[in-house]
Amino acid sequence: EVRLVESGGGLVQPGGSLRLSCAASGFSFSSYWMTWVRQAPGKGLEWVATINQGASEKYYVDSVKGRFTISRDNTKNSLFLQINSLRADDTAMYYCARGMSSNDYWGQGTLVTVSS
Amino acid sequence: DVVMTQSPLSLSVTLGQPASFSCKSSQSLGNSDGNTYLSWFQQRPGQSPRRLIYKVSNRDSGVPDRFSGTGSGTDFTLTISRVEAEDVGVYYCMQGTYWPRTFGQGTNVEIK
Repeated sequence: EVRLVESGGGLVQPGGSLRLSCAASGFSFSSYWMTWVRQAPGKGLEWVATINQGASEKYYVDSVKGRFTISRDNTKNSLFLQINSLRADDTAMYYCARGMSSNDYWGQGTLVTVSS
Repeated sequence: DVVMTQSPLSLSVTLGQPASFSCKSSQSLGNSDGNTYLSWFQQRPGQSPRRLIYKVSNRDSGVPDRFSGTGSGTDFTLTISRVEAEDVGVYYCMQGTYWPRTFGQGTNVEIK
């Protein structure tokens, strides 16, 4: 069974940082592109970033470029999102999802709240 | 960026009746590899998104056959042949042809 379990969210002050993690199991993690998608409270889905199998290709939505960094550790079947210089509009549920052109499995999400 | 426009934004349907949602993209989603990367996702209240349809018309494993996807180019449709109570939620389309990936605003489905 494919499982994606996010962690690392929490309450952080504006300008702060967090590192989100996604633990993958039930499939060959190193064979798949992986993606982060976020959803602000009561709003729609927003694609954030995607990384290829070997971490040589990374893509970001413009609003997070220079502040967020997607990475992975294939030896630990883990996906990460380093988020810096947090702003109020980064408040959202952050989902880890498998895939590049479409996302067939999603985690349950981890909530990031940016507030003073 | 490719803009995905869904309509209607809200839909109230009678149990057992059909329902259709539209998704239009600002550019053709046909890729140079011959595929069209248009997906549909369902998000039930309080749950994570779940993919229903990929590459326009391919149903994911476990998705009831009352869900179907059609379309090409810039115009796409998700149809539920007979709405059931468990279909309540928000439906999103997403394009996976261009960077950045983009979602539609979502169509909220409720039961009359």
